[in-house]
Amino acid sequence: AQSVTQLGSHVSVSEGALVLLRCNYSSSVPPYLFWYVQYPNQGLQLLLKYTTGATLVKGINGFEAEFKKSETSFHLTKPSAHMSDAAEYFCAVSDLYNQGGKLIFGQGTELSVKP
Amino acid sequence: KAGVTQTPRYLIKTRGQQVTLSCSPISGHRSVSWYQQTPGQGLQFLFEYFSETQRNKGNFPGRFSGRQFSNSRSEMNVSTLELGDSALYLCASSLNREINSPLHFGNGTRLTVT
Repeated sequence: AQSVTQLGSHVSVSEGALVLLRCNYSSSVPPYLFWYVQYPNQGLQLLLKYTTGATLVKGINGFEAEFKKSETSFHLTKPSAHMSDAAEYFCAVSDLYNQGGKLIFGQGTELSVKP
Repeated sequence: KAGVTQTPRYLIKTRGQQVTLSCSPISGHRSVSWYQQTPGQGLQFLFEYFSETQRNKGNFPGRFSGRQFSNSRSEMNVSTLELGDSALYLCASSLNREINSPLHFGNGTRLTVT
């Protein structure tokens, strides 16, 4: 069965500092990996996704993530945090055999940005 | 283009009642999925509909059901509500069932069961 583990339910950084949100997955088949962001009282917005090809994936708002098969990781980074990045971030996994809307989500990491 | 619309935004129901939530996908999107979000369990997949047929189902009791209409709009129903059903219910639509077709989420319906 697939699963996703996000290390750290809460991460706090200073404005302008590096953002690193960790995600490890477990999958018996090649995974497809996603990062979503959720702002208060809103739904989820796709930041970026990895399906095939280049392992370094660039997303919206300056975020990027690198798929590392050997480490079963898909960590999310942003070089310089902005106050508007404060939100909850979810890593999710799917696979070729689960097409459609079924994603397995991690528990989420709440990002705080201090001025 | 309008996003995914969920109605109502907030609902308060009493234990034992039933509830129906509605979701209008982005125009042209044919796949609609439903998720339950709670502080304890996080985001959990309920079911997915495509072309009016349920294609995928999560591990929820039969009290949770859904349907999709010919215009792709979807409803989910929860019968005999329990306190533990209090959650944010999120609907997501996608163009098709391909893995490269991203999910677009609505802002959710927050259900409180008292």
